[in-house]
Amino acid sequence: SAVISQKPSRDICQRGTSLTIQCQVDSQVTMMFWYRQQPGQSLTLIATANQGSEATYESGFVIDKFPISRPNLTFSTLTVSNMSPEDSSIYLCSVGQNEKLFFGSGTQLSVL
Amino acid sequence: EDQVTQSPEALRLQEGESSSLNCSYTVSGLRGLFWYRQDPGKGPEFLFTLYSAGEEKEKERLKATLTKKESFLHITAPKPEDSATYLCAVDAGGTSYGKLTFGQGTILTVHP
Repeated sequence: SAVISQKPSRDICQRGTSLTIQCQVDSQVTMMFWYRQQPGQSLTLIATANQGSEATYESGFVIDKFPISRPNLTFSTLTVSNMSPEDSSIYLCSVGQNEKLFFGSGTQLSVL
Repeated sequence: EDQVTQSPEALRLQEGESSSLNCSYTVSGLRGLFWYRQDPGKGPEFLFTLYSAGEEKEKERLKATLTKKESFLHITAPKPEDSATYLCAVDAGGTSYGKLTFGQGTILTVHP
């Protein structure tokens, strides 16, 4: 299975600032996704990161708040913009391979 | 709307005490049902994918089964290292297999 590295692993940010999370995969993958796991809740898909085109966002998530880049088949970034305490969550990068979905270790974000 | 409900929310077992976790789902068309294990501070770890009713898969002390309405994760003679949150998710089809709907998870604690 693909090895997925996420950076940073955790961060504490101030309200109104932005944080960019990086996801690096050790092999080329077609499908990359970003999920959110809010405290005490399960995982929710934010968007599909498409290589060479704009990301596809799920209902309730917008590009202005969560801009995503996918410059190549091994790398993607998710930015959480203009943060508020409600954005405190674990953000997870995932990749599809052989019809399975594998996850990175996540970025634990706390917004004060 | 696709829905996944897991029960119980939490389960405490003694080492060696076998039990089962339940995952009930409602989807318009099931492409696959996934089981993951999540340890605190980490991303979900892939365990199994089940595709059709009657299918079973095993890995060490874990066995996953699938019917048309639910899936079970059977844990035989659990050990303390099996303690984790177990997540169930469904892929209801569409153009991409990375769009999973997750349940809330079952927190399993195995006491020595």
